[in-house]
Amino acid sequence: AQSVSQHNHHVILSEAASLELGCNYSYGGTVNLFWYVQYPGQHLQLLLKYFSGDPLVKGIKGFEAEFIKSKFSFNLRKPSVQWSDTAEYFCADQNYNQGGKLIFGQGTELSVKP
Amino acid sequence: GAGVSQTPSNKVTEKGKYVELRCDPISGHTALYWYRQSLGQGPEFLIYFQGTGAADDSGLPNDRFFAVRPEGSVSTLKIQRTERGDSAVYLCASSLNDGRNNEQFFGPGTRLTVL
Repeated sequence: AQSVSQHNHHVILSEAASLELGCNYSYGGTVNLFWYVQYPGQHLQLLLKYFSGDPLVKGIKGFEAEFIKSKFSFNLRKPSVQWSDTAEYFCADQNYNQGGKLIFGQGTELSVKP
Repeated sequence: GAGVSQTPSNKVTEKGKYVELRCDPISGHTALYWYRQSLGQGPEFLIYFQGTGAADDSGLPNDRFFAVRPEGSVSTLKIQRTERGDSAVYLCASSLNDGRNNEQFFGPGTRLTVL
């Protein structure tokens, strides 16, 4: 079955540290990948997405992700985190053949210390 | 409205009761999805509508769960004979066209607590 794994459940960083959150997907067919963020008390928002083309995808707020097909990975990165990046981050793979439903990872909680 | 709205934001009910959760998608979005998010987990797919029809209901956990979208816009998720294990945040999302290759826009969710 199609699945997504996020290896880090809780990451704690100091401001200005670099961030990398791991995401691995299982499905080998058409790949549409997403990173969503959920700030405290807010709803899920799209950070970035990959459908095709350049495997290095840039999103909002300085985030980027790299699609590596050979590793089935789509890791999220940010060179320098801010306190306002404290949130929960979800990686998702889209089931292309069944109406586009999203398969989410379990999420990574990021805490940034000021 | 500009985004996906869901009502109520919170619902507390007793075991065995019936509940309805409402989703109002972004105007013009034909694809509508329901997900359920339990504590500490990512959202899990429940059901997908394309227009008025449920194109994929494979994520509904059992026959106590049912959803409708009679006019192709607002959708209602219905849960009969609620159980404590149904407690979760129920999320609705909408998308253009058939959802593939398109971003899904999420609502704020309804937090359901079954006592």
